[in-house]
Amino acid sequence: GQNIDQPTEMTATEGAIVQINCTYQTSGFNGLFWYQQHAGEAPTFLSYNVLDGLEEKGRFSSFLSRSKGYSYLLLKELQMKDSASYLCAVRDKVTGGGNKLTFGTGTQLKVEL
Amino acid sequence: NAGVTQTPKFRILKIGQSMTLQCTQDMNHNYMYWYRQDPGMGLKLIYYSVGAGITDKGEVPNGYNVSRSTTEDFPLRLELAAPSQTSVYFCASSYGRGTGNTIYFGEGSWLTVV
Repeated sequence: GQNIDQPTEMTATEGAIVQINCTYQTSGFNGLFWYQQHAGEAPTFLSYNVLDGLEEKGRFSSFLSRSKGYSYLLLKELQMKDSASYLCAVRDKVTGGGNKLTFGTGTQLKVEL
Repeated sequence: NAGVTQTPKFRILKIGQSMTLQCTQDMNHNYMYWYRQDPGMGLKLIYYSVGAGITDKGEVPNGYNVSRSTTEDFPLRLELAAPSQTSVYFCASSYGRGTGNTIYFGEGSWLTVV
C-alpha cells in the first residue's frame, strides 16, 4: 500500500512562488502525479514524474526524489485562479499496466492579493 | 469531445434504497475507475476495470458493485444505501499500458443518503 502526506492548506500572495510538498511511503512505486482540483469540480492533470529530477511545464514544475520518497509542486507567478486543492497521487506497480493511483488528502492553496 | 461522462450529477437517496451511477467514455480507454471523495479528503479507489468483462476491487469496495460489459461503460451500483456512502463519486478512465498515462476524470456525482 501507499501512505502519502502533504500539508492541509497553504496561503500565498498573487505573483509570488509557492512550493507544495508531498512525501510518500510505498510498497511499490511507478510514478507520481499532481492534480489540481477546484471546488466542486473534477481533478485535472498537472504533471507526472517517474524519474528523479525536475519537470517544467509553464508556470508549474514538479520535482521527484525516489530515494527520499519526496516530491514537490512549484507554482510561479501565482494567479488568483490558482486557488484550488492540489492532490499528490502515487501509482502502484500493477500487473498488466494501468494506473492504480493512491491519492493524498490534498493541499488547499489560497492565493491572496 | 465528451471525454468521461457520468450521471446523475446530484442525487438524494433514502437509507436502504439502491441506485446506479452511470459512466461512459468516448476515448476508447481500456482502463476505467470509480473513486469516492469525502469532504476534505483525497480520492479513494472503489473499483477499477482493465477491460471489458474484467473488474477488480480497490481500496473501499464494500457496499458497491460494478460491471463492464463494454469498453465505453462502467456503471457503479449502490445496494442498500447507507449514510456512510454520502460522498462525491468520480468516474475516470485511462489508456492501459506505458508510463505517464493520464487519468481523465468525469465531473463528479454528488450523492446524499438520508
